[in-house]
Amino acid sequence: QVQLQESGPGLVKPSETLSLTCSVSGASISPYYWNWIRQPPGKGLEWIGYLYYSGNTNYNPSLKSRVTISVDTSKNQFSLRLSSVTSADTAVYFCARRGPSYTDYYIDYWGQGILVTVSS
Amino acid sequence: DIQMTQSPSSLSASVGDRVTLTCRASQYISNSLNWYQQRPGKAPSLLIFSASRLQSGVPSNFSGSGSGTDFTLTISGLRPVDFATYFCQQSYSLPITFGQGTRLEIK
Repeated sequence: QVQLQESGPGLVKPSETLSLTCSVSGASISPYYWNWIRQPPGKGLEWIGYLYYSGNTNYNPSLKSRVTISVDTSKNQFSLRLSSVTSADTAVYFCARRGPSYTDYYIDYWGQGILVTVSS
Repeated sequence: DIQMTQSPSSLSASVGDRVTLTCRASQYISNSLNWYQQRPGKAPSLLIFSASRLQSGVPSNFSGSGSGTDFTLTISGLRPVDFATYFCQQSYSLPITFGQGTRLEIK
């Protein structure tokens, strides 16, 4: 059974950098696409970006200037860094795996989510 | 970005009812449409991919249809566990985008 678990600080100060890690168990990081998706309280879902196990990345243009997703294959983990955060970045952050389809981009496994609040 | 619009934003129904949720894309997306269920405090869970293909383990009372720009999710024989929020997601082009959700409530 594939399991994903987010970890990191639940409170970040404005203008600082949000850093989260996703630990994957029950599956290897390769050869999948690994995603970060967020959901502000009471709102919809926003895709932040993906990382392919080889290290290739693709980010949402709305966040691209502030986002870095990286991988540590030795630990079967991947990470998110979001710089210069504001209150608008307060959200539940999910790590998630893209399903194995070559033709469709759907999310088949999600972490439980971690609430990150941006506040001084 | 492709905008996804779901309707209605909320819906009240009774156990045993059949309901249809709608998702419309701002441009052509072929059949690149996925549906998720999200219960309060939980992560979303995949129901349908490629517009009409049922994810393994999902009950057969869920079905999806549509192509192009207009899509529907139908839930027949509503069970108590089906009352949740439902999101559509397009995968035709990056960035992938989600609808704002339809909240299905017990009448």
